[in-house]
Amino acid sequence: DAGITQSPRHKVTETGTPVTLRCHQTENHRYMYWYRQDPGHGLRLIHYSYGVKDTDKGEVSDGYSVSRSKTEDFLLTLESATSSQTSVYFCAIGGTGGAESNQPQHFGDGTRLSIL
Amino acid sequence: GNSVTQMEGPVTLSEEAFLTINCTYTATGYPSLFWYVQYPGEGLQLLLKATKADDKGSNKGFEATYRKETTSFHLEKGSVQVSDSAVYFCALTGAGKSTFGDGTTLTVKP
Repeated sequence: DAGITQSPRHKVTETGTPVTLRCHQTENHRYMYWYRQDPGHGLRLIHYSYGVKDTDKGEVSDGYSVSRSKTEDFLLTLESATSSQTSVYFCAIGGTGGAESNQPQHFGDGTRLSIL
Repeated sequence: GNSVTQMEGPVTLSEEAFLTINCTYTATGYPSLFWYVQYPGEGLQLLLKATKADDKGSNKGFEATYRKETTSFHLEKGSVQVSDSAVYFCALTGAGKSTFGDGTTLTVKP
């Protein structure tokens, strides 16, 4: 299994508080992704990174920011959490660019985030 | 942009029944196609893949063929088991991005 660890695995917090989720990989992979999974919506891309300090927005990036200061760590931050951000968040690694586009993504086990 | 449409669920089958989960896609160029499986409390795992037209991906008795003429990648298994109960996602990678279907929940009853 690809070495991807997400923390925390579960979190309950209140509306308006900041929340940071961490994804740590041991595969030295260039590409990392944050998705959210909601019933009826499948997986939706929030942000992704293609290298240290190189990030870009996905389809549902509003209300989220990311940082990647080291190859192995990709942080997702909700600056002021809202109830609509209650979801299961998945980190993934894998290539989608160029010669890596035929490679699958590898996923962490997810973080279940509840915002009350 | 790219899109993936897969069969709505949930799907409930008896053990040893034949399984088909339909998946069609829209994409420019020549995407790679994937099926992932998700068990409760876990992330998605790669089940099989196909990277060019007419390729057949297979794993654990599951098969899917990349059909460019019908833009489809249907998942099949000849005889399902209770342990196959999970959520199945069709996905494609193309133009530097991955796109996932909404997932199909399969329940297999003994």
